[in-house]
Amino acid sequence: DAGVIQSPRHEVTEMGQEVTLRCKPISGHDYLFWYRQTMMRGLELLIYFNNNVPIDDSGMPEDRFSAKMPNASFSTLKIQPSEPRDSAVYFCASSGLGNTIYFGEGSWLTVV
Amino acid sequence: KNQVEQSPQSLIILEGKNCTLQCNYTVSPFSNLRWYKQDTGRGPVSLTIMTFSENTKSNGRYTATLDADTKQSSLHITASQLSDSASYICVVSLNAGNNRKLIWGLGTSLAVNP
Repeated sequence: DAGVIQSPRHEVTEMGQEVTLRCKPISGHDYLFWYRQTMMRGLELLIYFNNNVPIDDSGMPEDRFSAKMPNASFSTLKIQPSEPRDSAVYFCASSGLGNTIYFGEGSWLTVV
Repeated sequence: KNQVEQSPQSLIILEGKNCTLQCNYTVSPFSNLRWYKQDTGRGPVSLTIMTFSENTKSNGRYTATLDADTKQSSLHITASQLSDSASYICVVSLNAGNNRKLIWGLGTSLAVNP
């Protein structure tokens, strides 16, 4: 299995621009998570889906952030408009039976 | 407040030496405790998962211990290698089977020098 696949790996964008991060979970996994990681706050759960349905989005910082999962093999995290404080590494992760969560390699976002 | 605290924040050791990383948590109700390894520029990778009834679990040169009474865990690395240089993150799960309720520590950054 290729693991959790994220794109882009790196993105530099200007403040105010829209950013879309993409994720392909491991085939067969029914949970998908979006995390954000910063040096100061560590890993923070933004939102998670079960069977393509958003279960808890209480970690989404504000209305500028939105996430969708149109099917079992694809999810997006969108930031519109982006701000410099959104600069972080965004991880997508998935899990199936059992407790292990598998992470992608992350999308490194810099907003200037 | 549910919290996971790790110590030390960073650690430097020589190749071949052993080391122990600490994790203290105030999480209730407790379900399980996990240790993840995160290489620089990569996503976290699971090392061990321990439930309430387990007090030790090994994964190669990594051995995790859990004392549910004192709410402490440790990760012991034996005969360290250069590839062990990474951040080690302690994570506590609140509810059995509920992957969402994970409380993450900030990690211990380990550097193994030749």
